[in-house]
Amino acid sequence: DAMVIQNPRYQVTQFGKPVTLSCSQTLNHNVMYWYQQKSSQAPKLLFHYYDKDFNNEADTPDNFQSRRPNTSFCFLDIRSPGLGDAAMYLCATSRESNTGVGNQPQHFGDGTRLSIL
Amino acid sequence: SQQGEEDPQALSIQEGENATMNCSYKTSINNLQWYRQNSGRGLVHLILIRSNEREKHSGRLRVTLDTSKKSSSLLITASRAADTASYFCATDSFYGNNRLAFGKGNQVVVIP
Repeated sequence: DAMVIQNPRYQVTQFGKPVTLSCSQTLNHNVMYWYQQKSSQAPKLLFHYYDKDFNNEADTPDNFQSRRPNTSFCFLDIRSPGLGDAAMYLCATSRESNTGVGNQPQHFGDGTRLSIL
Repeated sequence: SQQGEEDPQALSIQEGENATMNCSYKTSINNLQWYRQNSGRGLVHLILIRSNEREKHSGRLRVTLDTSKKSSSLLITASRAADTASYFCATDSFYGNNRLAFGKGNQVVVIP
């Protein structure tokens, strides 16, 4: 089945130790998103790739970076995780036209829950 | 920025009853979407309603959209225990970035 896969499901890292979360998709969608979701809160968009074009949200901390080496894979790098970065990180995809993202349903992975020691 | 806001925040109902959730937003939209999130899982798209539509159905789901009031409602009829989840509305922002902004979410518990 076509899907969005996130690895690992649970990630524990130490304060300040870089960590990378991964996402892969078999949907061949042109847009990939990374969201941060804290407990009992709405998902918050960090950034998205429209094809190879990277789009960062204005309030996304510099600590967060992303890479999309090809259509299928996207990575979230947290350079120096702080305690406030503990959250669920959700990857999503959609197939969008050039009228702009947000016009099509998004398909989510099951997320990676990040804990900071 | 998050512009969708659901009301109420938490709802507990008996199996077989209907559940209604509301969502309000602040700016003009092209479409509004509803998603479900089971505990510890990702979001699942339920339904998308465009700004020129007033009502849409999908199985036991009924969504209404009132663009004059900038609000939407999600009705789940004949609820089941498996409907226990958080439900989020999300809007694209017609002005500016056209990205989805999610509301705070409704926690729905269906008691068997």
